[in-house]
Amino acid sequence: GAVVSQHPSRVICKSGTSVKIECRSLDFQATTMFWYRQFPKKSLMLMATSNEGSKATYEQGVEKDKFLINHASLTLSTLTVTSAHPEDSSFYICSATTSGRALYEQFFGPGTRLTVL
Amino acid sequence: AQSVAQPEDQVNVAEGNPLTVKCTYSVSGNPYLFWYVQYPNRGLQFLLKYITGDNLVKGSYGFEAEFNKSQTSFHLKKPSALVSDSALYFCAVRDSGGDKLIFGTGTRLQVFP
Repeated sequence: GAVVSQHPSRVICKSGTSVKIECRSLDFQATTMFWYRQFPKKSLMLMATSNEGSKATYEQGVEKDKFLINHASLTLSTLTVTSAHPEDSSFYICSATTSGRALYEQFFGPGTRLTVL
Repeated sequence: AQSVAQPEDQVNVAEGNPLTVKCTYSVSGNPYLFWYVQYPNRGLQFLLKYITGDNLVKGSYGFEAEFNKSQTSFHLKKPSALVSDSALYFCAVRDSGGDKLIFGTGTRLQVFP
């Protein structure tokens, strides 16, 4: 149980285009989803927290107009990187939890490797 | 503010030997502590957590961690390392203000045959 999937696993795009990454909870309802970015030297940075049906809460320094997050249902959240540039190349990971479980653990997706040319 | 420190970038250990991956924390209030493991190009997998109760917490794949309040530490341990344990390990603490997890910088564990 508690499986989270991400799609695509890998994407290469041209500079200036937009890329959408999906995060799905497969066997539970995710009231809260988190989006992280992992840099090449391994540190994991929380970008935003999204609750179903409401606007995402972005961490300081994260551009909300560039990283659009939608959590339209209890099983799906999407991250759209708009007008992507090479510096947006990174490993993006989502996690999900359900009401009351954030106290315990988050369940992570397998990640999406974004490369912007 | 909550924070987690993993003082070692890398830990090397021979297969069959015990391993320890260190983590110290700084929190206000009761700490909720976690260990996750990440294999190459994969997301994070939950290993174990401390919420309350026994200071020695047992988790997946034979790992355990000891909560030490006086030393504000939550070191990850395993009595006998396997080559397959080689991965990146993250310690995390739950933010007291909400659901967020605050991660350490990670420690790469390398187990040599």
